[in-house]
Amino acid sequence: DQQVKQNSPSLSVQEGRISILNCDYTNSMFDYFLWYKKYPAEGPTFLISISSIKDKNEDGRFTVFLNKSAKHLSLHIVPSQPGDSAVYFCAAKHGSSNTGKLIFGQGTTLQVKP
Amino acid sequence: EAGVAQSPRYKIIEKRQSVAFWCNPISGHATLYWYQQILGQGPKLLIQFQNNGVVDDSQLPKDRFSAERLKGVDSTLKIQPAKLEDSAVYLCASSQSPGTGRSYEQYFGPGTRLTVT
Repeated sequence: DQQVKQNSPSLSVQEGRISILNCDYTNSMFDYFLWYKKYPAEGPTFLISISSIKDKNEDGRFTVFLNKSAKHLSLHIVPSQPGDSAVYFCAAKHGSSNTGKLIFGQGTTLQVKP
Repeated sequence: EAGVAQSPRYKIIEKRQSVAFWCNPISGHATLYWYQQILGQGPKLLIQFQNNGVVDDSQLPKDRFSAERLKGVDSTLKIQPAKLEDSAVYLCASSQSPGTGRSYEQYFGPGTRLTVT
């Protein structure tokens, strides 16, 4: 049962343009959503998060949008830079659990071309 | 501030052999997680510790995997005996205690890439 899904395995964008990475979830009990970035041979790095009570959170070039009715969130990167090329994971935390367990999507590989 | 440390970074073993991984979390982080990441998939939680107690080990294959966190700091994850399907990256993460600040944010180490032949 894949509760968090990233249906696009890869995305290619030109430098300076917008990158939009998408994530869908099935469990309405998730209360926090996080995006992680992963470079090869490194562990995932926390990027940005959003609470389920909000619909937008912005941090510099990164903005996460949450559409609870559609159970969908997206990460916007503007403008995209070659250094943003990495694998991006969407993750969700169950609100009724105090364990902090994260459920991860499969990841989307972003390539930003110079 | 030092990040999460893991060793070794790479390990190659034959099936039925045993292997152990070590993790040192960020100083002050009471919660420690071990994840398994198979190629092409997202990380999957194996076990979570709160200080030195197990909070969640529902997805840990207990017939072959074991983990401990003595003194509530460092942790080791062991596989014995290893199977071919255990080939994966094993990630350790840590976070603040639940209910404190942004405890939902987990910080990951570089991982150990295990190859079972």
